[in-house]
Amino acid sequence: GEDVEQSLFLSVREGDSSVINCTYTDSSSTYLYWYKQEPGAGLQLLTYIFSNMDMKQDQRLTVLLNKKDKHLSLRIADTQTGDSAIYFCAEAPSGGYQKVTFGTGTKLQVIP
Amino acid sequence: ETGVTQTPRHLVMGMTNKKSLKCEQHLGHNAMYWYKQSAKKPLELMFVYNFKEQTENNSVPSRFSPECPNSSHLFLHLHTLQPEDSALYLCASSPSRTSGGRVTGELFFGEGSRLTVL
Repeated sequence: GEDVEQSLFLSVREGDSSVINCTYTDSSSTYLYWYKQEPGAGLQLLTYIFSNMDMKQDQRLTVLLNKKDKHLSLRIADTQTGDSAIYFCAEAPSGGYQKVTFGTGTKLQVIP
Repeated sequence: ETGVTQTPRHLVMGMTNKKSLKCEQHLGHNAMYWYKQSAKKPLELMFVYNFKEQTENNSVPSRFSPECPNSSHLFLHLHTLQPEDSALYLCASSPSRTSGGRVTGELFFGEGSRLTVL
């Protein structure tokens, strides 16, 4: 089956950039996502990228996709304490409803 | 109410109990999902319902029984669970593809039901 892998933990200092990495196995992935889960809450979509794109920028967030290596990354510029959360990488093929495959989540700790 | 609401938020049950988790969405979506979240493991897709029909059963043990009476409600019935079933159970919904429309595949999650099996 499809696999999505990411490291479990990342610690950065406030004001630095954070880079969270992810690899996936499904070459038919059409949609690639980053979700954020704050303590005690469900997941919320942070951003997404289509597989025909290399990069997407949205304010402090930059998503890079290397389709050849099946590698996705999320860069958060000027990381704030409010960015502390679990970040999930996910992928899905095209479809009327979405069979989305998630990774383990990377827990981002921001040190003041 | 708006969004995806899950009840109860916390549940403790013994291995011989029968209980149910409830999910309700007010977003007009046609697809609903159950996911299991365990520490250090990928989020596991359990079941998918599309227009009230079950379209995915990800090899889930029969002690978990889903029910989708309409597009707004989803239940997960629990019976004779094991301690390793303790986890956060997340419900999600999404729109299905409509003619001529582009669906991004965004899932809208509830806050989860934290289940502890003793």
